[in-house]
Amino acid sequence: GAVVSQHPSRVICKSGTSVKIECRSLDFQATTMFWYRQFPKQSLMLMATSNEGSKATYEQGVEKDKFLINHASLTLSTLTVTSAHPEDSSFYICSARRTELYNEQFFGPGTRLTVL
Amino acid sequence: AQKVTQAQTEISVVEKEDVTLDCVYETRDTTYYLFWYKQPPSGELVFLIRRNSFDEQNEISGRYSWNFQKSTSSFNFTITASQVVDSAVYFCALSEGYASNTGKLIFGQGTTLQVKP
Repeated sequence: GAVVSQHPSRVICKSGTSVKIECRSLDFQATTMFWYRQFPKQSLMLMATSNEGSKATYEQGVEKDKFLINHASLTLSTLTVTSAHPEDSSFYICSARRTELYNEQFFGPGTRLTVL
Repeated sequence: AQKVTQAQTEISVVEKEDVTLDCVYETRDTTYYLFWYKQPPSGELVFLIRRNSFDEQNEISGRYSWNFQKSTSSFNFTITASQVVDSAVYFCALSEGYASNTGKLIFGQGTTLQVKP
């Protein structure tokens, strides 16, 4: 099956710093990637849709300036959490859509962010 | 609006018991997809099944089976003869169909399944 990687898998940072998370589709090209956020014992909440070569589409309530998304190539999307605060601590998961047919998506292993 | 409801927050069973995880969805689309994912403690989502809205046939894959009923907007998941390795959080999800195919997945709240030896 298709493989999606995320880097880093875990990151601990100080409050006020920025953190970049990478999402890569390793064996297919993805024009669309998605970023989710998951708090402990809760469901996945879609943050934004990342489209290659265009601006990301953010879900209601998600701060665009706080969570910067760049999808510069067909295999890479990045999420930058700017000026991170402890409340940004969460599990961030990306997915990449291989085809629109069946909405076939593949998920990355997730990145656990802890902001001190 | 689209919505997925998994009313069972946590289920605990003893190994070898059968267990059914419920999923009820809401959508105005006539074409849509339903999914089940497994999330073990490692956190990585594991794809289990996809079903499109035109296919109401039930499906069986080993110990897993799925019952899709459009009349009740339900897509339930049954594990037969459960095993400890089945312990995980299970998510049901819905996505739009062709007409407005943004690719978004709407997830249910998840059901935590604990299988005790």
